[in-house]
Amino acid sequence: NAGVTQTPKFQVLKTGQSMTLQCAQDMNHEYMSWYRQDPGMGLRLIHYSVGAGITDQGEVPNGYNVSRSTTEDFPLRLLSAAPSQTSVYFCASSRERGGANYGYTFGSGTRLTVV
Amino acid sequence: DAKTTQPPSMDCAEGRAANLPCNHSTISGNEYVYWYRQIHSQGPQYIIHGLKNNETNEMASLIITEDRKSSTLILPHATLRDTAVYYCIVRVAYLNDMRFGAGTRLTVKP
Repeated sequence: NAGVTQTPKFQVLKTGQSMTLQCAQDMNHEYMSWYRQDPGMGLRLIHYSVGAGITDQGEVPNGYNVSRSTTEDFPLRLLSAAPSQTSVYFCASSRERGGANYGYTFGSGTRLTVV
Repeated sequence: DAKTTQPPSMDCAEGRAANLPCNHSTISGNEYVYWYRQIHSQGPQYIIHGLKNNETNEMASLIITEDRKSSTLILPHATLRDTAVYYCIVRVAYLNDMRFGAGTRLTVKP
């Protein structure tokens, strides 16, 4: 049982490049989310999904796209990378809405630098 | 979601109880108190949550005051591996959005 797996762990992009951060979970969780964490700050919600085919925006969605074609996978796409998107990105999943009873399970993060 | 106030940092001696306070004076009746921690840039880890009763699990205890305006997370026998940033989050349980603040940086010292 791997939990939530994020790839890659580290990435350096040039301004204007696009890329996809991968997130996969093997716990059959319906709910998945993407967060970003800037140095010295708390986590901020980018996008979330309540099930396959359903996504919605969080607090800081601009510059990012998501899709949810399967229960297991929830990729995050950076459309045109900007230095302001330099951050650590965390994917999370939960068995129920909002992680109400058992909390969220987080991946180990992707550290992204945009130069 | 109700706003929370936590001290930015705390120290605790190894083997002693760590008591982490959280103030949430504007909490609503349907909002829960959740605690997560983040160890050295790893992904956050769920610890415990509660509505109004005190709660205990294998990781910690959560004490919520009778008026629910504040709470305390207790790590009964802190170890060096408990050094982390601890986040207190007050929210309606089944909402999708969970917002993390700055948290309390707990340092457990030998």
